[in-house]
Amino acid sequence: GNSVTQMEGPVTLSEEAFLTINCTYTATGYPSLFWYVQYPGEGLQLLLKATKADDKGSNKGFEATYRKETTSFHLEKGSVQVSDSAVYFCALSERETSGSRLTFGEGTQLTVNP
Amino acid sequence: DADVTQTPRNRITKTGKRIMLECSQTKGHDRMYWYRQDPGLGLQLIYYSFDVKDINKGEISDGYSVSRQAQAKFSLSLESAIPNQTALYFCATSVGGARNEQFFGPGTRLTVL
Repeated sequence: GNSVTQMEGPVTLSEEAFLTINCTYTATGYPSLFWYVQYPGEGLQLLLKATKADDKGSNKGFEATYRKETTSFHLEKGSVQVSDSAVYFCALSERETSGSRLTFGEGTQLTVNP
Repeated sequence: DADVTQTPRNRITKTGKRIMLECSQTKGHDRMYWYRQDPGLGLQLIYYSFDVKDINKGEISDGYSVSRQAQAKFSLSLESAIPNQTALYFCATSVGGARNEQFFGPGTRLTVL
């Protein structure tokens, strides 16, 4: 079946540091890939997505590239801010085998200190 | 107003009680989902519905039931709550297709004593 593995957290960075959160996936078909963010006390919201190989999703300074050869979708940001402190979830959706349901990784807690 | 609302936002109950969590949406989406979030486990799918007459079990449906009363309403019930059902519960909606994002409600924090 489908699965998503994220790097273990928590991750603590200083403001303006470079961020990478690793995400790898297992899927039998051709999934769409997503990063969701959960701010404290809130529900999840979509951060970015990519729907085919080599696509790059980007939003709010975050980027992730769909790498089919390495089955990865790593999240990066060049300069994090305190307001980026949140939990980040990598997820995939595959219509062929899962009816478009989302499969989530475990989540990575990011804390950015001033 | 929020597009996806959940009630209650917080609930404390006792073992053996019946609990209903409600979800409403104004997005006009056909698809609705219930997830459970536990620390370190991400989100796990409990039930999902692609339309009013289509209800499907997710990964962890045991101990839960759902009702899709209308396109806009999807309720989750715990018939006899137990302590290991203590968790954060999220409702989500989407339009069809694997490329489309899901929109999440703010969550219900349930504690079973």
